[in-house]
Amino acid sequence: DAKTTQPPSMDCAEGRAANLPCNHSTISGNEYVYWYRQIHSQGPQYIIHGLKNNETNEMASLIITEDRKSSTLILPHATLRDTAVYYCIVGLTGTASKLTFGTGTRLQVTL
Amino acid sequence: DVKVTQSSRYLVKRTGEKVFLECVQDMDHENMFWYRQDPGLGLRLIYFSYDVKMKEKGDIPEGYSVSREKKERFSLILESASTNQTSMYLCASSSPLDGRNQPQHFGDGTRLSIL
Repeated sequence: DAKTTQPPSMDCAEGRAANLPCNHSTISGNEYVYWYRQIHSQGPQYIIHGLKNNETNEMASLIITEDRKSSTLILPHATLRDTAVYYCIVGLTGTASKLTFGTGTRLQVTL
Repeated sequence: DVKVTQSSRYLVKRTGEKVFLECVQDMDHENMFWYRQDPGLGLRLIYFSYDVKMKEKGDIPEGYSVSREKKERFSLILESASTNQTSMYLCASSSPLDGRNQPQHFGDGTRLSIL
């Protein structure tokens, strides 16, 4: 699996958009980009994933650069409940492939 | 919504005990996984299974075994618990639907302490 690089922490004001970057310069052509988050004392929660096109669901948007070497997760209107560690992962799942979680970005949403 | 249920949120056992951690998913997923999560080490894969009665070793299988007798249930067994197995244990499931690499969905974890 390709390695990812994320900033260790970010702050965001409540109601503003949170933009979380991720670099994955060694991603291969058939690897997807997945985003998860983990709120303290809970299991990781799936947010969104994509291959090369931008994706949007009820939780977030995923913007993947054309060269696929980086991506950005956007939470359009952050709330206090979005405070969590966000993980960007690249790889193949669906087959029984493991996910390799790095250290993620700790997002703190403040009033 | 996918539901992955782990039998206990918190568990305390003694060194040398045989420990069973249970995981059940309700989405008819073929694939199931057991990870452990430790501070500074991220999630590490212990075992996974891609079908009933099938199992594959992950990165850190030593000291663990698994059982998958039914599609919806995947059990992790600590044969003789040791203090270095104190950790958060996470179960996940996924399904290779329509070739689009469906994501893994996780349970809320079991925080296991071995005394």
